[in-house]
Amino acid sequence: DAKTTQPPSMDCAEGRAANLPCNHSTISGNEYVYWYRQIHSQGPQYIIHGLKNNETNEMASLIITEDRKSSTLILPHATLRDTAVYYCIVRVAHRDDKIIFGKGTRLHILP
Amino acid sequence: EAGVTQFPSHSVIEKGQTVTLRCDPISGHDNLYWYRRVMGKEIKFLLHFVKESKQDESGMPNNRFLAERTGGTYSTLKVQPAELEDSGVYFCASSLNSGINTEAFFGQGTRLTVV
Repeated sequence: DAKTTQPPSMDCAEGRAANLPCNHSTISGNEYVYWYRQIHSQGPQYIIHGLKNNETNEMASLIITEDRKSSTLILPHATLRDTAVYYCIVRVAHRDDKIIFGKGTRLHILP
Repeated sequence: EAGVTQFPSHSVIEKGQTVTLRCDPISGHDNLYWYRRVMGKEIKFLLHFVKESKQDESGMPNNRFLAERTGGTYSTLKVQPAELEDSGVYFCASSLNSGINTEAFFGQGTRLTVV
């Protein structure tokens, strides 16, 4: 079973920041937080991952709380192409284990 | 650089027939994974290869499913005989075997419809 909890759906206006929350209250010290997304009819796409520090790349920012029990994925300027299902996943560090997908958050970007 | 490629992109077969799905991982990626999404359900793990060896096949639903990765390059997933409940989208993913957690790259999937 997935070790994360996410809201089933969210709306965001185009051009605004999309903030997607995730709870992972049972995360272990050696587990990273990963985010993937699946745009309709495509395969899942890696977005970002982090352990405890905030991370930023060209796609998004990841904010992890100090106690690591929750995190937020931020898409700074959402576009219609960001409409997708976003998955928050925890994975053990230094291993190549399978990804356990939960239900994710269906993000609708509104024009 | 080519990404993970899967074919066919779509397959429609009758119940009882055999279908073979193929996945070509990114060159140099030792890890290869198969997943599937059945209609209305979450994406589920099927199995994991490291080179040609099966590292984890705990997600394989039953013995009608056979995965191979001869030579440690491309992989095939055969369903024989296919049942109606096998319909869904089958995804393949690959990643480096670098000893640290790395991102997995997914293919576009094969949509299998069993009628």
